[in-house]
Amino acid sequence: AQKITQTQPGMFVQEKEAVTLDCTYDTSDQSYGLFWYKQPSSGEMIFLIYQGSYDEQNATEGRYSLNFQKARKSANLVISASQLGDSAMYFCAMREIMNRDDKIIFGKGTRLHILP
Amino acid sequence: NAGVTQTPKFQVLKTGQSMTLQCAQDMNHEYMSWYRQDPGMGLRLIHYSVGAGITDQGEVPNGYNVSRSTTEDFPLRLLSAAPSQTSVYFCASSSDSYEQYFGPGTRLTVT
Repeated sequence: AQKITQTQPGMFVQEKEAVTLDCTYDTSDQSYGLFWYKQPSSGEMIFLIYQGSYDEQNATEGRYSLNFQKARKSANLVISASQLGDSAMYFCAMREIMNRDDKIIFGKGTRLHILP
Repeated sequence: NAGVTQTPKFQVLKTGQSMTLQCAQDMNHEYMSWYRQDPGMGLRLIHYSVGAGITDQGEVPNGYNVSRSTTEDFPLRLLSAAPSQTSVYFCASSSDSYEQYFGPGTRLTVT
């Protein structure tokens, strides 16, 4: 079973609109972390935002916010006021720490296209 | 501060050849990992290490070996390259619980 599911392979959004990228996860751990990364066409991985499982407030970083719904096991990324430079692949990831084991697993990604 | 460095940037191998992809970090991070990225598959975890002397298998470990003799270095060895190993390989490191820092990637082609 997939640990991280991103159901939107691709999205097209008009510039200046807000966009929500979906991510659901599967874990039996109580302690875990959720991440979002951006990968532009140049290929580098850019960290965007982090949410710990015990954090009570949703994480925010500038135009990025993470809509964390623990009971539904979802960690959607919200980008406000989208810009042309937001066009990229976006990956959701989860870090589980169990005993000595410590894995970070990624979803398959969503390709976001911002239209002028 | 170099962060995470990977060498080489590009490599072409023939089927059956072996090689080592190098990864080094200068941030004193305990956690290091290797991923491969294929179109439509996202990043898949190959091997990871929670500290020097400790390594574990990820989602797709077959055909790859790793070792972690120092905190700084985490090389990935392809024992006998196959065309199915054509991919972009990323090395990453992180501290206890926060973001991973990624290297620039190695684009490997096996013919």
